[in-house]
Amino acid sequence: NAGVTQTPKFQVLKTGQSMTLQCAQDMNHNSMYWYRQDPGMGLRLIYYSASEGTTDKGEVPNGYNVSRLNKREFSLRLESAAPSQTSVYFCASSEWGLFGSREDSTDTQYFGPGTRLTVL
Amino acid sequence: AQSVTQLGSHVSVSEGALVLLRCNYSSSVPPYLFWYVQYPNQGLQLLLKYTSAATLVKGINGFEAEFKKSETSFHLTKPSAHMSDAAEYFCAVSPYGGSARQLTFGSGTQLTVLP
Repeated sequence: NAGVTQTPKFQVLKTGQSMTLQCAQDMNHNSMYWYRQDPGMGLRLIYYSASEGTTDKGEVPNGYNVSRLNKREFSLRLESAAPSQTSVYFCASSEWGLFGSREDSTDTQYFGPGTRLTVL
Repeated sequence: AQSVTQLGSHVSVSEGALVLLRCNYSSSVPPYLFWYVQYPNQGLQLLLKYTSAATLVKGINGFEAEFKKSETSFHLTKPSAHMSDAAEYFCAVSPYGGSARQLTFGSGTQLTVLP
């Protein structure tokens, strides 16, 4: 199993350009997530998807769009990149889906290797 | 609302010394707690998680953490540091009964191991 894979690993954009970050998981997980990581701020959730066909906003969704193409794939799109979007982007997945919530256990997220994006 | 505070953005220890990385949480309900490690240019890897089964949790690579409700803490320790432990460590919290999408991360602690 490859786990969670992300492409590309590195990307440099000019302000106003668009691009799509790709993420795929082979663990048959229901939920997938996009985070951004900035120095001194930990990881912040951009969007998540609890099942195929559903997406929801996280803490910092502005300037981004997502698509849950199928159960395996979850893409993140920057329509008009800005320097403030320079960051490292991580995709993650977890087993539980839309109704996965139990008081006696907890879901665990598994992360991809990240995409380092620079916007000039 | 839930939050996590990691005390010390940078910690340095000598090889063979005790590693102590501090994490305090704030949660309106009893939480689940996680420690993740991030090696240079890699994604986050789960070290251990607390799910109320036992207050002392053992993880991979010799790390362990103890949940102390009275102190609202979940500090990460390792008796003897190894050079390969140099990495960034993140504490995270999710509410009891919640799902992983409610995971909140701390700002991270960079661990340096000196020879």
